[in-house]
Amino acid sequence: DAGVTQSPTHLIKTRGQQVTLRCSPKSGHDTVSWYQQALGQGPQFIFQYYEEEERQRGNFPDRFSGHQFPNYSSELNVNALLLGDSALYLCASSSFSGGGTGELFFGEGSRLTVL
Amino acid sequence: LAKTTQPISMDSYEGQEVNITCSHNNIATNDYITWYQQFPSQGPRFIIQGYKTKVTNEVASLFIPADRKSSTLSLPRVSLSDTAVYYCLVGGNTGRRALTFGSGTRLQVQP
Repeated sequence: DAGVTQSPTHLIKTRGQQVTLRCSPKSGHDTVSWYQQALGQGPQFIFQYYEEEERQRGNFPDRFSGHQFPNYSSELNVNALLLGDSALYLCASSSFSGGGTGELFFGEGSRLTVL
Repeated sequence: LAKTTQPISMDSYEGQEVNITCSHNNIATNDYITWYQQFPSQGPRFIIQGYKTKVTNEVASLFIPADRKSSTLSLPRVSLSDTAVYYCLVGGNTGRRALTFGSGTRLQVQP
């Protein structure tokens, strides 16, 4: 059973460009959340998707947008990249109905470097 | 959301028991306490969750006093592979809550 998979694992962009990161949730999970983790910091919640809609959003600008597909996979898009967007982007999947612990399963992340 | 306070770092030696305490003075009645472990360049991994008293699983124990204003993660007989950052979080236990991570506790295990 594959866990959460993310792609690409590493990428380099320049300021002003746009990037798309992808996530496939763990089998049986219908909820995907995205987190940004700067070096030396804890992960920060960006937003969450289920039933193909954004349900919760953290304190991130509109340059950060996402999408969830009918197969529950998700994309994170960041427009007009800034140097400060350099970070590890983590995808986490979960199932609202799947268990009482509310455990989130994280992927290995996509390391974005903005030059 | 309840704010948590943890030590920034801890050092230990292989074979010792490590206890990491987290303060959460403003924990709400419905909040659970959850601990995650994170290795460099990897996503966090769920360790343990509890509501009150003591919870134990195959990797750790979680001690929660009656007032629930703090909790202690106990790692028995640590090894080098337990070197990681440990995060304490409080909040609801549904799979759709937004997790609020602090800076965590960086545990360094020495041989």
